[in-house]
Amino acid sequence: GGIITQTPKFLIGQEGQKLTLKCQQNFNHDTMYWYRQDSGKGLRLIYYSITENDLQKGDLSEGYDASREKKSSFSLTVTSAQKNEMAVFLCASRPGQGSAEQFFGPGTRLTVL
Amino acid sequence: QQQVRQSPQSLTVWEGETAILNCSYEDSTFDYFPWYRLFPGESPALLIAIRPVSNKKEDGRFTIFFNKREKKLSLHITDSQPGDSATYFCAAKNTGNYKYVFGAGTRLKVIA
Repeated sequence: GGIITQTPKFLIGQEGQKLTLKCQQNFNHDTMYWYRQDSGKGLRLIYYSITENDLQKGDLSEGYDASREKKSSFSLTVTSAQKNEMAVFLCASRPGQGSAEQFFGPGTRLTVL
Repeated sequence: QQQVRQSPQSLTVWEGETAILNCSYEDSTFDYFPWYRLFPGESPALLIAIRPVSNKKEDGRFTIFFNKREKKLSLHITDSQPGDSATYFCAAKNTGNYKYVFGAGTRLKVIA
């Protein structure tokens, strides 16, 4: 078994601030994902990474940067937080093409004042 | 452009009834359809999934019915329990693509 940890669990920022969210997995999975969950809008893909040092943009990448420097970690940066923004950011991983199941982390809840 | 649509947005059923959650999609190349369940305060977890080689997938009280021609699928939860109250997401993916497309979710409430 394995686990995905996300830090911090709660993140409060100011408008215009650069904020970084971190994700670690010990599954030894190749592929990792960052999703944004807004109420009533499901999960929207921000960035994903097929393997270490790879980055692929999702449908919602504008306003975000990502970094996959190690196989086990995937970071997401909000480049300029928007006032009144509130969402849950979910990190996920999956083994690779052979398995389609994604495993999700507990999420980081962002509030921008 | 919403490629995966779910209905209803919310659903309330009595304990013991069958809850039916609907999902439709646009991209005919999708060939993997997982359903994820999200309890409040927790992270989404895979509940059940189907590939188009089958038109039905059953796991205990949870059954997916799949209609490839109409690009529709539904999740049936029989003998619904209050503990089934959660948000259910339908997703879709095609082989060779790493991206999943999620629907907006159906919030299910089961009343005792």
